[in-house]
Amino acid sequence: DAGVIQSPRHEVTEMGQEVTLRCKPISGHDYLFWYRQTMMRGLELLIYFNNNVPIDDSGMPEDRFSAKMPNASFSTLKIQPSEPRDSAVYFCASSFGDEQFFGPGTRLTVL
Amino acid sequence: GQQLNQSPQSMFIQEGEDVSMNCTSSSIFNTWLWYKQDPGEGPVLLIALYKAGELTSNGRLTAQFGITRKDSFLNISASIPSDVGIYFCAGQLVNNAGNMLTFGGGTRLMVKP
Repeated sequence: DAGVIQSPRHEVTEMGQEVTLRCKPISGHDYLFWYRQTMMRGLELLIYFNNNVPIDDSGMPEDRFSAKMPNASFSTLKIQPSEPRDSAVYFCASSFGDEQFFGPGTRLTVL
Repeated sequence: GQQLNQSPQSMFIQEGEDVSMNCTSSSIFNTWLWYKQDPGEGPVLLIALYKAGELTSNGRLTAQFGITRKDSFLNISASIPSDVGIYFCAGQLVNNAGNMLTFGGGTRLMVKP
């Protein structure tokens, strides 16, 4: 298996622009997680899905953030409009059981 | 907020030395996991622990699930330069409604050749 796939690996955008991050989980995994990592706050869980249904989005910072999982093999995290404080590395992870497997991350820079 | 206290926050050691790091919490966990994150990459699972008192090894790595279910440690023996990275503990709380993990703040390991 190729593991969790994320795209793009790097994104540089200007404040106010819409940003879409993409994730393909490991086939057969029924949970998908979106995390954000910064030096100040470490790894933060933003939202997670079970069988494509959002279960807990209490970690989503504000309404500018939204996530979807239209099918078992694809999820998106969208930021609209983006702000400089959204600059971070965003990870997608999937699991079937307790062990979560992480993608390589998307490094987002908002200028 | 953060429910896992991971220490130390950083370590700078000489190649060949042994390393020890730990995580503690006031909450009880069902599962403890240890991850390593290399620069520019996502965390990679090193060891998973499922039973209180369990001691598991993976090469030069040894981890234990504390008897009280509120702590875990990770040891690395005979460190080498490629051990450099950030190590995270993660646990699944007893009252966890889903498959959420709680992460520690990480231990940044630096190894001097």
